[in-house]
Amino acid sequence: QVQLQESGPGLLKSSETLSLSCTVSGASIKSYYWSWIRQTPGKGLEWIGYMYHGGNAKSNPTLKSRVSISMDTSKNQFSLSLTSVTTADTAIYYCARAACAGDCYFDFWGQGSLVTVSS
Amino acid sequence: SYDLTQPPSVSVSPGQTANIPCSGDKLGFNYVSWYQQKPGQSPVLLMYQDAKRPSGIPERFSGSNSGNTATLTISGTQAMDEADYFCQAWDSGTAIFGGGTKLTVL
Repeated sequence: QVQLQESGPGLLKSSETLSLSCTVSGASIKSYYWSWIRQTPGKGLEWIGYMYHGGNAKSNPTLKSRVSISMDTSKNQFSLSLTSVTTADTAIYYCARAACAGDCYFDFWGQGSLVTVSS
Repeated sequence: SYDLTQPPSVSVSPGQTANIPCSGDKLGFNYVSWYQQKPGQSPVLLMYQDAKRPSGIPERFSGSNSGNTATLTISGTQAMDEADYFCQAWDSGTAIFGGGTKLTVL
């Protein structure tokens, strides 16, 4: 069974950089696309971006200039960096696996990590 | 930007059929996925490529997509189906989610 677990600081101040990691078990991150998605009460679910082993990465145009996704295959982990955060970035951040065949769908999700940004 | 529109809430009686729509411009030309989220839990993939159920998803869940509307149908709705439901599609390489529908089983 594929399992994903987010980890990282839960509290940040405005202008700081959000850094989260996702540890994957039950699957190799050398296969599939690995994604970050966030959820807020006001905006619902928002796709942040994804990465495929080998460097193919894409992010949401609304966040593109602030987002970086990277992988550490030795740890079977992938990470999210979001720079210059504001209170609007307060959300539950999920990592998820994207299975792509014709289109992509998110078939396994982590439990989510609440990140709060204070002013 | 591309938007997917869902009604905020749908109510259904136990044992009846619930239909949850998701609308978007020419949505029928895109594949749609559906996710179920119960309070305090992560979303769970319920349907992909419009009408395919992942392993473990009950047969009472079905999906369709045509024109501008995709629909998630729950036949013989059970109390355990009370949850939020989100549709999702791709537009120009960006994943888009609907705002979600809260299904209440009365």
